Amino acid sequence: DQQVKQNSPSLSVQEGRISILNCDYTNSMFDYFLWYKKYPAEGPTFLISISSIKDKNEDGRFTVFLNKSAKHLSLHIVPSQPGDSAVYFCAASANGGSNYKLTFGKGTLLTVNP
Amino acid sequence: NAGVTQTPKFQVLKTGQSMTLQCAQDMNHEYMSWYRQDPGMGLRLIHYSVGAGITDQGEVPNGYNVSRSTTEDFPLRLLSAAPSQTSVYFCASSYGTDNYGYTFGSGTRLTVV
Repeated sequence: DQQVKQNSPSLSVQEGRISILNCDYTNSMFDYFLWYKKYPAEGPTFLISISSIKDKNEDGRFTVFLNKSAKHLSLHIVPSQPGDSAVYFCAASANGGSNYKLTFGKGTLLTVNP
Repeated sequence: NAGVTQTPKFQVLKTGQSMTLQCAQDMNHEYMSWYRQDPGMGLRLIHYSVGAGITDQGEVPNGYNVSRSTTEDFPLRLLSAAPSQTSVYFCASSYGTDNYGYTFGSGTRLTVV
């Protein structure tokens, strides 16, 4: 049973517009959430994280929103750039903020068109 | 500062062979993990370690062994390779605390024939 779900395998947006990537989870013990970006033939790169005590975290063009009651989080990228084209993974941890044991979603392929 | 280094980058094994995937980090991270990525499956945790001498199983540990004798190294051993172990393997390390994500290596692409 998948505990972290990314239901959209792919997303295509125009350069300059907003990209919204969604993630749902089922395990109520998850208390820390992360987003990773992955280019082909490279390892995933950490983007941004959020603790369950917050509902929003921003870092430059990237904002993560957490809705605990809905067990849903989203990653907003504004404005989107062609270099943002990659696979984005949502991940979650249930270790009180220590993220050594992560459960990943299957990923969403984002394509930003010039 | 090399980050997380994985060797080899590519490997082809015959069924039943054994091998060790190497992983080293130079960031003095306490936490290290091995993940495998299969098409349409995301990343799945194989084994992890929260410090030298301490390891534990993840989601898909069968067929793999690990040890952590030093902070820097976390090798993954395949005992008797099977075609189902064909995958891309990623090693990662982290401080493990808030706001620090894992740093991943570039991966080892393993094919078992």
